Amino acid sequence: AQSVTQLDSHVSVSEGTPVLLRCNYSSSYSPSLFWYVQHPNKGLQLLLKYTSAATLVKGINGFEAEFKKSETSFHLTKPSAHMSDAAEYFCVVSGGDYKLSFGAGTTVTVRA
Amino acid sequence: DAGVIQSPRHEVTEMGQEVTLRCKPISGHDYLFWYRQTMMRGLELLIYFNNNVPIDDSGMPEDRFSAKMPNASFSTLKIQPSEPRDSAVYFCASSFGGPNTGELFFGEGSRLTVL
Repeated sequence: AQSVTQLDSHVSVSEGTPVLLRCNYSSSYSPSLFWYVQHPNKGLQLLLKYTSAATLVKGINGFEAEFKKSETSFHLTKPSAHMSDAAEYFCVVSGGDYKLSFGAGTTVTVRA
Repeated sequence: DAGVIQSPRHEVTEMGQEVTLRCKPISGHDYLFWYRQTMMRGLELLIYFNNNVPIDDSGMPEDRFSAKMPNASFSTLKIQPSEPRDSAVYFCASSFGGPNTGELFFGEGSRLTVL
């Protein structure tokens, strides 16, 4: 079985400052890991994915995440937040049972 | 492609009524998923199909819920009879190659309120 823990339920940043969203995972298999974003009243959209290639993964809209096996972490970062980044972000793990396990989500607020 | 299309976007109904949610996946995708999202439980996988065949329905909460996929371009999720605790946003998603690819394409959801 696999699971993810998103360490922050809410993150507030000022526009132009860095964003860090933390995610720890647990998996019995070599995991595939993903970050999804959900804007208000919208469906989820894939930001980026890690599937055992490069440990630093670049995604859309300037986001990137680093897979650290020793720390069982997959934190999401962006160097400079934009107002349009205000949304809910989900860390997701896929294991050997072909199911995706979603974290509880982190709500990002961007202050002008 | 227009993406995954769900209808209705909003549904308000009374307890005991039948509710049918509809989904049109992206053409060419061979997997279809139904998820439910609530504040209390987050995102839950209800059921998924591969090539129109239900593969895993272990997430369907009880017999009041049923899902069908009569062809590659259409799926329904039915709740009969509906209860207030079924109030949630129901998402349909599709993918090519299965959940391990991770790239699910979600519809905008159907927000269900049962009074």
